[in-house]
Amino acid sequence: DAGITQSPRHKVTETGTPVTLRCHQTENHRYMYWYRQDPGHGLRLIHYSYGVKDTDKGEVSDGYSVSRSKTEDFLLTLESATSSQTSVYFCAISGNGYEQYFGPGTRLTVT
Amino acid sequence: DQQVKQNSPSLSVQEGRISILNCDYTNSMFDYFLWYKKYPAEGPTFLISISSIKDKNEDGRFTVFLNKSAKHLSLHIVPSQPGDSAVYFCAAPFSSGSARQLTFGSGTQLTVLP
Repeated sequence: DAGITQSPRHKVTETGTPVTLRCHQTENHRYMYWYRQDPGHGLRLIHYSYGVKDTDKGEVSDGYSVSRSKTEDFLLTLESATSSQTSVYFCAISGNGYEQYFGPGTRLTVT
Repeated sequence: DQQVKQNSPSLSVQEGRISILNCDYTNSMFDYFLWYKKYPAEGPTFLISISSIKDKNEDGRFTVFLNKSAKHLSLHIVPSQPGDSAVYFCAAPFSSGSARQLTFGSGTQLTVLP
């Protein structure tokens, strides 16, 4: 299994608070991704990174920001959490191939 | 607008029988497809893939078939086992922006009954 960890694994937060999720990899892969998974929608891309300090928006980026200051870490921030951001968040990494390898996920509940 | 569609949200199969999971796509430029398997409370794991230069790829009990003219692919699991019960996603890579991305179907929940 690819070395990917996510923290925290579970979080409950209140509407309007900032939240940061962390993804850490030990594979030295160039590409990192943040997805959210919701019933009926599969996996939707939020943001991705193609190198240190190089990031771009995905399909559902509104309300989210990311940062990548080191190859191994990719942070996802919800500036002001809303109930619509209650979801399961997955980080993924990839090298030069098509396959992406996923972390275990973070279940976020915004009350 | 989803470019990869899984129209069956769920499928139940008896242990030992064949499971067939279907996926349709709309973009004729897609030239590679992947299947992922996801257990509850875990991340998706890569299962099998197929390039558009092939119409079949086999890996043990898992076979993926590609019908380019119909823009359709299917995953066959033979024989099905209770441990195969999971959500299965099909996906296709495309280049956009500065990285190769994957677009996913909405998933099919497979339940294998003992």
